[in-house]
Amino acid sequence: DARVTQTPRHKVTEMGQEVTMRCQPILGHNTVFWYRQTMMQGLELLAYFRNRAPLDDSGMPKDRFSAEMPDATLATLKIQPSEPRDSAVYFCASGLVDLRDRGSYEQYFGPGTRLTVT
Amino acid sequence: QKEVEQNSGPLSVPEGAIASLNCTYSDRVSQSFFWYRQYSGKSPELIMSIYSNGDKEDGRFTAQLNKASQYVSLLIRDSQPSDSATYLCAVNLFYNQGGKLIFGQGTELSVKP
Repeated sequence: DARVTQTPRHKVTEMGQEVTMRCQPILGHNTVFWYRQTMMQGLELLAYFRNRAPLDDSGMPKDRFSAEMPDATLATLKIQPSEPRDSAVYFCASGLVDLRDRGSYEQYFGPGTRLTVT
Repeated sequence: QKEVEQNSGPLSVPEGAIASLNCTYSDRVSQSFFWYRQYSGKSPELIMSIYSNGDKEDGRFTAQLNKASQYVSLLIRDSQPSDSATYLCAVNLFYNQGGKLIFGQGTELSVKP
């Protein structure tokens, strides 16, 4: 049963601390997306990678957020230093995207990391 | 104008009725359209995709696409209380070639027994 996995599922931390969230995409998928969801803003795209290369991180606050893919089975999203306004659910999604095939843009979401910064 | 717009709801329908969820998008040449279902406290789950004008049926779900009018809709027949969730419309906008999807704010559906 192929699924996107994310750790941790819940994280409570104090303002100023570093937070690292991890994602394992579905094996064989070439594109990984990081989203943030809040009641006010809905689902926002933070960054995404294809074949481990960053394609777009314009949705991320650059001064405190960073996203990487150390290898094909691991994507990380780091916040340093964290702030209360970063409290949200962070989702990772993956897909097997072929730009020549409009039917390949499906994305599959992980369970999310619920972050609370106090 | 937002790139992808949905009525936030809540949309309330009685059990057994047809629920109709609508979505409009800004880019006339968008090619790929998706509906995701999100239960409270859970992650979005892909339930339908549609690429061509017309209807696409899958069980109790029907997706409808009208590119000329730039809208996509989701019909849920014989609605059940278990269909109560937020439904997110997602569109791959043509000018973005990276496979990125733009999500609407979601419509909350409540099916009353």
